[in-house]
Amino acid sequence: GQQLNQSPQSMFIQEGEDVSMNCTSSSIFNTWLWYKQDPGEGPVLLIALYKAGELTSNGRLTAQFGITRKDSFLNISASIPSDVGIYFCAGQPAKSGTYKYIFGTGTRLKVLA
Amino acid sequence: DAGVTQSPTHLIKTRGQQVTLRCSPKSGHDTVSWYQQALGQGPQFIFQYYEEEERQRGNFPDRFSGHQFPNYSSELNVNALLLGDSALYLCASSLKQRGYQETQYFGPGTRLLVL
Repeated sequence: GQQLNQSPQSMFIQEGEDVSMNCTSSSIFNTWLWYKQDPGEGPVLLIALYKAGELTSNGRLTAQFGITRKDSFLNISASIPSDVGIYFCAGQPAKSGTYKYIFGTGTRLKVLA
Repeated sequence: DAGVTQSPTHLIKTRGQQVTLRCSPKSGHDTVSWYQQALGQGPQFIFQYYEEEERQRGNFPDRFSGHQFPNYSSELNVNALLLGDSALYLCASSLKQRGYQETQYFGPGTRLLVL
């Protein structure tokens, strides 16, 4: 199935470090959503972005809607052990009549205390 | 404020059987989308229901069908189950907006194992 390119695929970091991940595509998108998923559970919405260039924060998380509308970035500052999990981006294609979201391949984050 | 709920949480079926999964949307939402998530992958869009009709469909065979009820809850039906249908099935709800930008909130999922 169709998936967006998300990088890095996985990362181990020390507690307190900052984390950056991104999603890229060759197509343009209307909306970007970022989710966190713990094993065996559903994705939990972290941040929603609706306009090119938009920068939005949610606590230690900051996400940006790329100016070209083809990418998005998520930063986590001062990571803590509970940040462990899989982070997914989801983009809504800028195509008339499209309501679906296409998900990224996921970034698996492990935090070393 | 009730979030998205799904039932059952787990299900085991054998090849060829049929299964029905259920979803109740978040309070105030009127649109339900279904996704399939294979192990180690991101969710894949199956279809979306709004006003009791299928509004958009992903690349899934006709064995996958759905329904939305007047109270906005929804069912996903899968016929003639294959081993490859084993996955986490996720329901997401949203509120219809002017234009296409609708933020989706997910339920906990139903884990389906086909033997």
